[in-house]
Amino acid sequence: EVQLVESGGGLVQPGRSLRLSCAASGFSFDNYAMHWVRQVPGKGLEWVSSISWKSGSIGYADSVKGRFTISRDNAKKSLFLQMNSLRREDTALYSCVKASCGGGGCALLDSWGRGTLVAVSS
Amino acid sequence: QSALTQPASVSGSPGQSITISCTGTTSDVGTYNLVSWYQQHPGRAPKVITYDVSERPSGLSNRFSGSKSGNTASLTISGLRAEDEADYYCCSYAGNGAYVFGTGTKVTVL
Repeated sequence: EVQLVESGGGLVQPGRSLRLSCAASGFSFDNYAMHWVRQVPGKGLEWVSSISWKSGSIGYADSVKGRFTISRDNAKKSLFLQMNSLRREDTALYSCVKASCGGGGCALLDSWGRGTLVAVSS
Repeated sequence: QSALTQPASVSGSPGQSITISCTGTTSDVGTYNLVSWYQQHPGRAPKVITYDVSERPSGLSNRFSGSKSGNTASLTISGLRAEDEADYYCCSYAGNGAYVFGTGTKVTVL
């Protein structure tokens, strides 16, 4: 069974940094692209970032480009999101999501974690 | 990247068919046949219901069907059931490793 468990969320002041982690199990992590998707409770889904199986293809939403960095450690079956210069509008539930293939153009997101809550406030 | 445009709400009676539109641009929906649709019930994680415009994951009901014309993708739910009441989101590949979700549509079964 695919399991994706996020951690690292919390309350942080504007301008500070936070690093999210996602521990994957139940599948061959190094064969699949991974994504971060966020959702403000009660609002819609927003795609944040994606990384292909060997990190050769990486993408970011315009809203986080230059501030967030996605990475992965296939040996440790882990996905990361380094978030710098955080803004109030980054407040959301951040979910780790598995794609159904390894490359950069794969729009089937087939497994979702429960998410970790990030709150940016002074 | 701007969010794909969906109607805020769509409703129908049990047994009826409804269609949800998802309008993008030539940078996303219009160029790539990589559109997927997700169903989200309150408090639950999204669940993929169609991908690559019109493909269905194995085991998923054929009451759900996807299509695309130009810059607009559509999801049709036929034989509407009470359990179909949920939020629905489209998602498209937008090139260079980027993706974009739709604004979301709340489906109400009357």
